[in-house]
Amino acid sequence: DVKVTQSSRYLVKRTGEKVFLECVQDMDHENMFWYRQDPGLGLRLIYFSYDVKMKEKGDIPEGYSVSREKKERFSLILESASTNQTSMYLCASSLNRPGQGAYGYTFGSGTRLTVV
Amino acid sequence: DQQVKQNSPSLSVQEGRISILNCDYTNSMFDYFLWYKKYPAEGPTFLISISSIKDKNEDGRFTVFLNKSAKHLSLHIVPSQPGDSAVYFCAARPPYRGSTLGRLYFGRGTQLTVWP
Repeated sequence: DVKVTQSSRYLVKRTGEKVFLECVQDMDHENMFWYRQDPGLGLRLIYFSYDVKMKEKGDIPEGYSVSREKKERFSLILESASTNQTSMYLCASSLNRPGQGAYGYTFGSGTRLTVV
Repeated sequence: DQQVKQNSPSLSVQEGRISILNCDYTNSMFDYFLWYKKYPAEGPTFLISISSIKDKNEDGRFTVFLNKSAKHLSLHIVPSQPGDSAVYFCAARPPYRGSTLGRLYFGRGTQLTVWP
């Protein structure tokens, strides 16, 4: 069964800490994405990557960075965690070959991050 | 600027009846549309999709209708079941090109509640 695996389901961190959220996919997908989900705001794109070592800013990149050293792994980094980064974080992956993207993304189960 | 809009944050339907979830988009270049379903504390899962060259796609109890002239799509669930209670996200994809390869644009979601 193909999967996108996020390293933690629940995480509690203190304000100012550097936080790493890890995501691994086993589908040989080129594209990987990080979203956050907040009530009333839906899914907002933070960063995405369409190749190893490549990254593109999404709609809300401030306060975040990413790393993609291997095709299967995409890490989201909160440089200095703040309370307004308390959220559900979702990783996703997809193919980037036209004609094969009918199913869009495969999502991980999410990481509920609380910053106190 | 939201390119995909779900104007109803919530919908409540009795079991056995039809649920209709609506979605509007502004970018006429979108060529693929998808619906995702999300339960609490889980990642979204793919439900059904439709290409812009079609106006209807059906999969069991789920049917998606696309009206390109109105830039509107809808998801019909017939008959609705309590297990359908979830947040439904509408998503749209631009043609594969450059760094937008495979990126989806999401609406804010509609919480569907199906009561017995």
